[in-house]
Amino acid sequence: DADVTQTPRNRITKTGKRIMLECSQTKGHDRMYWYRQDPGLGLRLIYYSFDVKDINKGEISDGYSVSRQAQAKFSLSLESAIPNQTALYFCATRSMQGVGNTGELFFGEGSRLTVL
Amino acid sequence: QKEVEQDPGPLSVPEGAIVSLNCTYSNSAFQYFMWYRQYSRKGPELLMYTYSSGNKEDGRFTAQVDKSSKYISLFIRDSQPSDSATYLCAMSETGANNLFFGTGTRLTVIP
Repeated sequence: DADVTQTPRNRITKTGKRIMLECSQTKGHDRMYWYRQDPGLGLRLIYYSFDVKDINKGEISDGYSVSRQAQAKFSLSLESAIPNQTALYFCATRSMQGVGNTGELFFGEGSRLTVL
Repeated sequence: QKEVEQDPGPLSVPEGAIVSLNCTYSNSAFQYFMWYRQYSRKGPELLMYTYSSGNKEDGRFTAQVDKSSKYISLFIRDSQPSDSATYLCAMSETGANNLFFGTGTRLTVIP
């Protein structure tokens, strides 16, 4: 099983619909992130969380919200989806603990969202 | 100006070629430099990691950082078809909450 699991992997929806993308991890990391990836723009940070009580906006948080239900679960919501939110979304975890830890990001396999 | 600039390619080379991938950046405070590899329909995975300036070698892969020029490189020797992927550079400041990613370079190694 994957260490970082995203559901759904693919979703097609219509403008104005509410969408939730879910992420769960078994790595035991405290930090979780949501990125979106667009051709020519790379990976951009939407939100990140250091623990259940800590939520932070990233570079492009407008139109999105998140919930950290538990250390292992971090969901991303689009309250009213619009076509320019069509993208590939990645959840990632990161641990800054341990001597010599690189702070490497561990990514899920992505959720492809299409908003018509 | 974007924090990190990366030529998107695509780059196509014959098997066995030496590949050079590059990124430039504008923030002189960046200290951590990483290369991620992303196969089609997969999430990025860390390939190489370097702290501050210098070179780091791991098998066929060499990462170089030139902080004076704000320029980082990834070299792949004896490239293989299995190296075909998108390569993303990423970097951050000490203690930073986020990594700044390049747009990625798509590489195809032709058998």
